[in-house]
Amino acid sequence: NAGVTQTPKFRVLKTGQSMTLLCAQDMNHEYMYWYRQDPGMGLRLIHYSVGEGTTAKGEVPDGYNVSRLKKQNFLLGLESAAPSQTSVYFCASRRTGGYNEQFFGPGTRLTVL
Amino acid sequence: AQTVTQSQPEMSVQEAETVTLSCTYDTSESDYYLFWYKQPPSRQMILVIRQEAYKQQNATENRFSVNFQKAAKSFSLKISDSQLGDAAMYFCAYRSAGGRNNDMRFGAGTRLTVKP
Repeated sequence: NAGVTQTPKFRVLKTGQSMTLLCAQDMNHEYMYWYRQDPGMGLRLIHYSVGEGTTAKGEVPDGYNVSRLKKQNFLLGLESAAPSQTSVYFCASRRTGGYNEQFFGPGTRLTVL
Repeated sequence: AQTVTQSQPEMSVQEAETVTLSCTYDTSESDYYLFWYKQPPSRQMILVIRQEAYKQQNATENRFSVNFQKAAKSFSLKISDSQLGDAAMYFCAYRSAGGRNNDMRFGAGTRLTVKP
């Protein structure tokens, strides 16, 4: 099993450009998440999904959109990138059941100039 | 909303010694889960240990153990016989047991340095 994978690993954007981050998991997990990690702030939830075709807002959703057309994929979109979106982005997935571990991808470092 | 506080931005420990990382949380719920994750320089988040709030017994995983004080809303991590490979950022996290919105809330992290 590859676990949780993220594409790309690094990206540099100019202000106003758009891009999509791809997360894929091969563990048949129902739940998927997108987090951002900024220095001194831990991980903050952007959006999440509790199943194929469903999405919901997390703690910091502004400026991002997501889609989960297939159970194994969770896409995070930036329509018009801003310097404030410079961050490391993590995808995670888990099975249903609150005790279950979240498995994380390796992260994507995004810089917006 | 639940908040998780890690009051120690940085900690250091001598190799083979014991260190305790602190975590407190704020919640009005009675049923929830608590986690400690490790993030080494590779950036990969790795689960260290987890605890169910309704269990009074503290969780242990080899050299890692927790001191869970539900009334005090405290969830500290003890690392015994520290090894160089333990050097990393450590994040405490909270997850509600109820409802569909049971995402994780993370603390700001504690950077652990292990001295040889």
